[in-house]
Amino acid sequence: AQTVTQSQPEMSVQEAETVTLSCTYDTSENNYYLFWYKQPPSRQMILVIRQEAYKQQNATENRFSVNFQKAAKSFSLKISDSQLGDTAMYFCAFTAPDTGRRALTFGSGTRLQVQP
Amino acid sequence: DAGVIQSPRHEVTEMGQEVTLRCKPISGHDYLFWYRQTMMRGLELLIYFNNNVPIDDSGMPEDRFSAKMPNASFSTLKIQPSEPRDSAVYFCASSLRPQEGYTFGSGTRLTVV
Repeated sequence: AQTVTQSQPEMSVQEAETVTLSCTYDTSENNYYLFWYKQPPSRQMILVIRQEAYKQQNATENRFSVNFQKAAKSFSLKISDSQLGDTAMYFCAFTAPDTGRRALTFGSGTRLQVQP
Repeated sequence: DAGVIQSPRHEVTEMGQEVTLRCKPISGHDYLFWYRQTMMRGLELLIYFNNNVPIDDSGMPEDRFSAKMPNASFSTLKIQPSEPRDSAVYFCASSLRPQEGYTFGSGTRLTVV
């Protein structure tokens, strides 16, 4: 079974600074996909960034980037130039389509507070 | 596109009553997922459909829960009878290719008193 672990329940960062959220996962599959979702107080789940396991290059979306360490099964999210609107729960998620299961498995989440 | 549409946004019901949650996926998306979010258990998959057919319902808590997808544009999640421990936010999501991620609805907050 695949598992996703987020070991930081809460984090805080000053506006304009950089913060890194951690995620580790466990799988025996070689073909899989990793995601970070953001859930602001509005509770809407928003896809932030996606990484394909067979791509060595780390994904980047504007101020959001990942550090994907396949051997260590680590997938951290870096938020640069933090903004007040980044305050949210962040969930790491995983799927391995070759298992036949197309659903995402989510971590427990990290609550990020951006301080003015 | 209006995105994934869920209704109602909030539902308060008394224990023992039947509750029906509704979802309209994005047109053309072949996959539909129902998740439940609680503080204690996080985001749990309840069931998902592909081309209107239930594929994995192993997360459905018990016989009190049932889900249907009568056509490509509509799905329901029913709880009968409801219990206080069913209180949670229920999300519906749809996808054309799950490996590219899902689009979530805004969720239904269910409170059973």
